[in-house]
Amino acid sequence: GQQVMQIPQYQHVQEGEDFTTYCNSSTTLSNIQWYKQRPGGHPVFLIQLVKSGEVKKQKRLTFQFGEAKKNSSLHITATQTTDVGTYFCAGNTGGFKTIFGAGTRLFVKA
Amino acid sequence: NAGVTQTPKFQVLKTGQSMTLQCAQDMNHNSMYWYRQDPGMGLRLIYYSASEGTTDKGEVPNGYNVSRLNKREFSLRLESAAPSQTSVYFCASRSTGHGGNYEQYFGPGTRLTVT
Repeated sequence: GQQVMQIPQYQHVQEGEDFTTYCNSSTTLSNIQWYKQRPGGHPVFLIQLVKSGEVKKQKRLTFQFGEAKKNSSLHITATQTTDVGTYFCAGNTGGFKTIFGAGTRLFVKA
Repeated sequence: NAGVTQTPKFQVLKTGQSMTLQCAQDMNHNSMYWYRQDPGMGLRLIYYSASEGTTDKGEVPNGYNVSRLNKREFSLRLESAAPSQTSVYFCASRSTGHGGNYEQYFGPGTRLTVT
C-alpha cells in the first residue's frame, strides 16, 4: 500500500540554526499537506501543496513539492524556541485517505 | 465554534473491557477520520467516513468498529481492549466541497491505556 517516509526522526538545533525535514512517497501524490504538533497537543494544519515543483513560504517556513510529486520538504530558517514540536507531512492520492509520515521531532536549544 | 471535540480525554481500561470514544464536529464537514498515534509511528488511519452513512477501513482497522451517527458525530468502539491498543486517539474532520482542500481539523485527542 501507499507509504510516506519522513526523515530525520529527530533533529536537535541551536536557536538560530536552520532545519529541514524531508518526505518521500512510494506513489505519486495529488497533494501533500504539512502539519505541526506541539508537545502534548494535536496536529495543526500548516499548508497544502498541489502543483508539481510548487514552493510556498510562510514567514521563516519554506515548503516545496517535488517535480514528480513524490517528495516534499519543509525548511525553517533561523529556528526559534517557538518552532519546537513534531512536523508531519501527509500525502493524498486524490481520495479520502490521507497517509501521514512518522514525523520529525524538532528540539531547539536556546 | 468548538471545532472538533472528543470525549473522554483520558481512559484506563483493563484487557477485555470495551469502550466507545466519542467525536463531534460543528463545522458541517462531510468527512471524518479516526487515527491512532504511537511514539515514532506518526498518525495511522483506523477508519474514515467519507460522508454521512458511509464508513471505510484505513491502515489499522483490526480490533475497532466505527459508527457515523449523523453528520456531526463519528464514534470509535473497542469491543475487547488489548494492551496493543494503548495509544493516543485523534478524531479529525474535513470539508469535501469543491476546491480540493484536504486540510484536516483535529480534536484534542483521547489518551487510552490498556492494562
